[in-house]
Amino acid sequence: EPEVTQTPSHQVTQMGQEVILRCVPISNHLYFYWYRQILGQKVEFLVSFYNNEISEKSEIFDDQFSVERPDGSNFTLKIRSTKLEDSAMYFCASRTGMRQPQHFGDGTRLSIL
Amino acid sequence: SQQGEEDPQALSIQEGENATMNCSYKTSINNLQWYRQNSGRGLVHLILIRSNEREKHSGRLRVTLDTSKKSSSLLITASRAADTASYFCATEPLWRAGGTSYGKLTFGQGTILTVHP
Repeated sequence: EPEVTQTPSHQVTQMGQEVILRCVPISNHLYFYWYRQILGQKVEFLVSFYNNEISEKSEIFDDQFSVERPDGSNFTLKIRSTKLEDSAMYFCASRTGMRQPQHFGDGTRLSIL
Repeated sequence: SQQGEEDPQALSIQEGENATMNCSYKTSINNLQWYRQNSGRGLVHLILIRSNEREKHSGRLRVTLDTSKKSSSLLITASRAADTASYFCATEPLWRAGGTSYGKLTFGQGTILTVHP
């Protein structure tokens, strides 16, 4: 069964550094998402992406965050200057259409030192 | 309470018993989805129930939705040790004509289910 894949599984970065989290959504999916889960807290929506542009973003998704779909397969989340509070598990999700469930990857655990 | 609140927060049962988890939400929804998360892993989609549906089954899973009470329940019958995980409900808001709701999911805190062999 097709899967959403995320790399790396764990990223350790110094505060202030840039980090890029990578995702390969399921190939025929059209809608793409990033969520994050701080340890012990709820999964939180960050951003949705459709038709090569951001369709919705949360208050968390400030100017330090950006997303890109540089080619037909990858979907990336960049954090320009990481803060300690960015430490979390980041999940990528995708789906075929508006009436379909979202399928999640296994996540990237981001640790900011 | 917040959108998508589950109860109980933790549930411990013996193998073979049924497990029921509840979810309440506040705003109008297009659909409600249930996910499972094994420790340290990703979210696995279980069932999507649309706002015009009242009940849905998938294998040992049964989901109900009561939009008048803004609540849903997930029943796992004949539980197994492998069902041990966290279970989350997630709501997708009602699509607004000309609006920008592209599927943002709002998750609850989750129910931690432990099934003892």
